[in-house]
Amino acid sequence: DQQVKQNSPSLSVQEGRISILNCDYTNSMFDYFLWYKKYPAEGPTFLISISSIKDKNEDGRFTVFLNKSAKHLSLHIVPSQPGDSAVYFCAANAGGTSYGKLTFGQGTILTVHP
Amino acid sequence: GAGVSQSPSNKVTEKGKDVELRCDPISGHTALYWYRQSLGQGLEFLIYFQGNSAPDKSGLPSDRFSAERTGGSVSTLTIQRTQQEDSAVYLCASSLGGRTSGEQYFGPGTRLTVT
Repeated sequence: DQQVKQNSPSLSVQEGRISILNCDYTNSMFDYFLWYKKYPAEGPTFLISISSIKDKNEDGRFTVFLNKSAKHLSLHIVPSQPGDSAVYFCAANAGGTSYGKLTFGQGTILTVHP
Repeated sequence: GAGVSQSPSNKVTEKGKDVELRCDPISGHTALYWYRQSLGQGLEFLIYFQGNSAPDKSGLPSDRFSAERTGGSVSTLTIQRTQQEDSAVYLCASSLGGRTSGEQYFGPGTRLTVT
C-alpha cells in the first residue's frame, strides 16, 4: 500500500523556468510533510517542510504548497538551476505512535537544462 | 561538524551469510533511524531509536533483521541469512528528536549486494 505517491518519475525543465514536483498521499493521519533532495551516491538532504496547519511554506527559491482536502502537496523551484538536478523525494509523518517514522514517495528525477 | 557516517560503503555477500552495517550519527542527536532503498523505489522505514526508549521496530521486514544502538550513539543493523531480495542501499539518519525536527540527516548509505 503506497501511502505517499509521486506519479511523475521524471521532469525536465529549462534553466530559469519553474519546476513543479507533485506528491499525493492517502493517509489522513499524516500531518507533517517534508521534501528531500538526493544526488547520486549521497544520502538525501532535507530541503523544506510544512505542517498541516499551514498551506504554504517558502524558503528562498523553494516553496511547498499543501492542499489537505485533496491530500496533495507540491514543491515549486523558481528559478530552476542546473545544480537543482537531482532526485526529489516527498515524505510524510503521522506523529503519535508513528513518531519519527517518515513514509517516502518513490522520487522524481529532476533535470534542469542550461 | 561531521555528518552521519556509515560503513562499509559497499558490501557484497553470498546468499545465506550474515552481514553487519554500521552507523555513526551526528554527535548530540538522540534519534537514529534506518531505512532501505531498493532499486527504483522510495525509502522504506526499518527501525527507529529515540533516546533510551524501546525502539520502533515496526518496519523490519522479517526476524532476520535486527538492530541495536549502543551507548545512545553508534548503531549496527544486522541481517542474518541474507537473501537476494535484501539487496538494497541501507541508509541511516539521525535527528535531534522532537516532533518538529522531522528533518532527518542522512548518511551516504551502504550498498548491499547479495549474490
